[in-house]
Amino acid sequence: GAVVSQHPSRVICKSGTSVKIECRSLDFQATTMFWYRQFPKQSLMLMATSNEGSKATYEQGVEKDKFLINHASLTLSTLTVTSAHPEDSSFYICSAPGTVMNTEAFFGQGTRLTVV
Amino acid sequence: AQSVAQPEDQVNVAEGNPLTVKCTYSVSGNPYLFWYVQYPNRGLQFLLKYITGDNLVKGSYGFEAEFNKSQTSFHLKKPSALVSDSALYFCAVRDHSGNTPLVFGKGTRLSVIA
Repeated sequence: GAVVSQHPSRVICKSGTSVKIECRSLDFQATTMFWYRQFPKQSLMLMATSNEGSKATYEQGVEKDKFLINHASLTLSTLTVTSAHPEDSSFYICSAPGTVMNTEAFFGQGTRLTVV
Repeated sequence: AQSVAQPEDQVNVAEGNPLTVKCTYSVSGNPYLFWYVQYPNRGLQFLLKYITGDNLVKGSYGFEAEFNKSQTSFHLKKPSALVSDSALYFCAVRDHSGNTPLVFGKGTRLSVIA
């Protein structure tokens, strides 16, 4: 089945620094990638949708200057958390939508971000 | 707007007993319904889906779910629970249109006790 590879799986950074999270579709082309954030013991909340070749679409309440999304190619989407603060600590997951043949979405392994 | 409700935060079941994790949905038109499982600090693993056809859907690891249109439900079931089934389970819905994101329920934590 389709595979989405997300890196890093864990990252600890200092307040004020930026962190980049990568998601790659390994055996298919993902023109769209969804980025979710998950707080402890809570559900996944959609942050933004990245589209190859165009600007990302952000959900209401998500700061686009804080969470920079780039969809550089048909196989790579990145989320950069800029000037990170402790409240940005969370679990971030990317997901590529299903194809015509496989309607289920494909998820990356997730990234545990801890800002100290 | 689409929505998913998982009324139980936690489900506890003894190993070997049947388990049910409840899910109801709201969507205009015909839904695409999914169940995913999440282990600690991991992404989501696909279990099963309902798109069309038989209301009883069989998926991975012995799980199954029954689509009930009149009750707008899609409960996840397994005849005999294993300790290794202990995890966080998410029900999700998507409408038919192309590249749309899944809408998730809040999740239900399943604990299978030996």
